[in-house]
Amino acid sequence: QQQVKQSPQSLIVQKGGIPIINCAYENTAFDYFPWYQQFPGKGPALLIAIRPDVSEKKEGRFTISFNKSAKQFSLHIMDSQPGDSATYFCVPKGGSQGNLIFGKGTKLSVKP
Amino acid sequence: DAGITQSPRHKVTETGTPVTLRCHQTENHRYMYWYRQDPGHGLRLIHYSYGVKDTDKGEVSDGYSVSRSKTEDFLLTLESATSSQTSVYFCATQGTSSYEQYFGPGTRLTVT
Repeated sequence: QQQVKQSPQSLIVQKGGIPIINCAYENTAFDYFPWYQQFPGKGPALLIAIRPDVSEKKEGRFTISFNKSAKQFSLHIMDSQPGDSATYFCVPKGGSQGNLIFGKGTKLSVKP
Repeated sequence: DAGITQSPRHKVTETGTPVTLRCHQTENHRYMYWYRQDPGHGLRLIHYSYGVKDTDKGEVSDGYSVSRSKTEDFLLTLESATSSQTSVYFCATQGTSSYEQYFGPGTRLTVT
């Protein structure tokens, strides 16, 4: 049973474009909705996270939009740069002491 | 990297041999995790620990065991390695936020 569905699998944009990565979930007990970023040969690292009582959160060029009724959340990267080229994971967290549930990842490539 | 090291970083072993991967942290974090990463699957939780000698199974625990005798060390053992366990293994610790995990650099294991 796939608790988290992430799309697209891969994405290519030009520098300055606004890539959007989407995540749909089923478990209404998730209590945090983070995104992790992974560069080749490295472990993932927390990028940004949102609580379910907030509809949008911005940190620098990164924005999470959250739609609780649709059980979806998305990551937008404003003014994307080649250095943003990485794999992005939506990783909702189960409630209380629940664990992180990783989506399958989106490989983003930002062309100069 | 929150002071997380993994050893070895690369290992090639034969089917049927036992393998132990080590994770060492210097942050005194209580929670520690072992994940495997395979193409098309994101990261999947193998086992986790919520304290010394306290461990629990994750999503893909079959064929793996863990031990934690000290706060700083978390060992993952493949009792009898199989080709399906060829993967990249990541260790992680949980920081002060329940949704924030710090990942080590990974161990690439090949079972021939």
